[in-house]
Amino acid sequence: RKEVEQDPGPFNVPEGATVAFNCTYSNSASQSFFWYRQDCRKEPKLLMSVYSSGNEDGRFTAQLNRASQYISLLIRDSKLSDSATYLCVVNMEHGTASKLTFGTGTRLQVTL
Amino acid sequence: EAGVTQFPSHSVIEKGQTVTLRCDPISGHDNLYWYRRVMGKEIKFLLHFVKESKQDESGMPNNRFLAERTGGTYSTLKVQPAELEDSGVYFCASSQSWTTGVTEAFFGQGTRLTVV
Repeated sequence: RKEVEQDPGPFNVPEGATVAFNCTYSNSASQSFFWYRQDCRKEPKLLMSVYSSGNEDGRFTAQLNRASQYISLLIRDSKLSDSATYLCVVNMEHGTASKLTFGTGTRLQVTL
Repeated sequence: EAGVTQFPSHSVIEKGQTVTLRCDPISGHDNLYWYRRVMGKEIKFLLHFVKESKQDESGMPNNRFLAERTGGTYSTLKVQPAELEDSGVYFCASSQSWTTGVTEAFFGQGTRLTVV
């Protein structure tokens, strides 16, 4: 079983749609959680951190359920520019060591 | 402010040759990481430096890979001798120390390595 699992998609949605991505992680000791965005042939860039209380940044809402080891990302009013791969990322820290574990990513294609 | 820079952006080498990848982290970032994405797979952790010290190198595939971070500044990742399965995109990332709270890891554009 992969440490971080995501539906690879692709999700094809029209502009203005709401789309939700889900992610599960296997290590209950994971400490922090992120959604990164990766455009084709580019580096991953942080979209948002995910907090236990849930957090929102404009059209993006992230949720974390530690009991179920589940993370979600909701995108409202999708734009063409949202087309990208969304990576669910989990951070583990051991003392001063840190390791990000990535899901395979969910590809989103927003169309006219 | 300059971001994380990696050199070269692309490298094509023959099996058995040696390649050295370089990463310059964001100035002031003590943490430096190497990650790799092979075709069709997820991005995988290779190792983590804090300043010049290796904190975790559990992701290094084998002893053909050697990472260094001289003086706690830039880092190099050497593959010697390269094998076909080493092909992929090698990402470097850096972040600030823990005392600043939840730290964002900033990624470089990656080095696309092709071993033929």
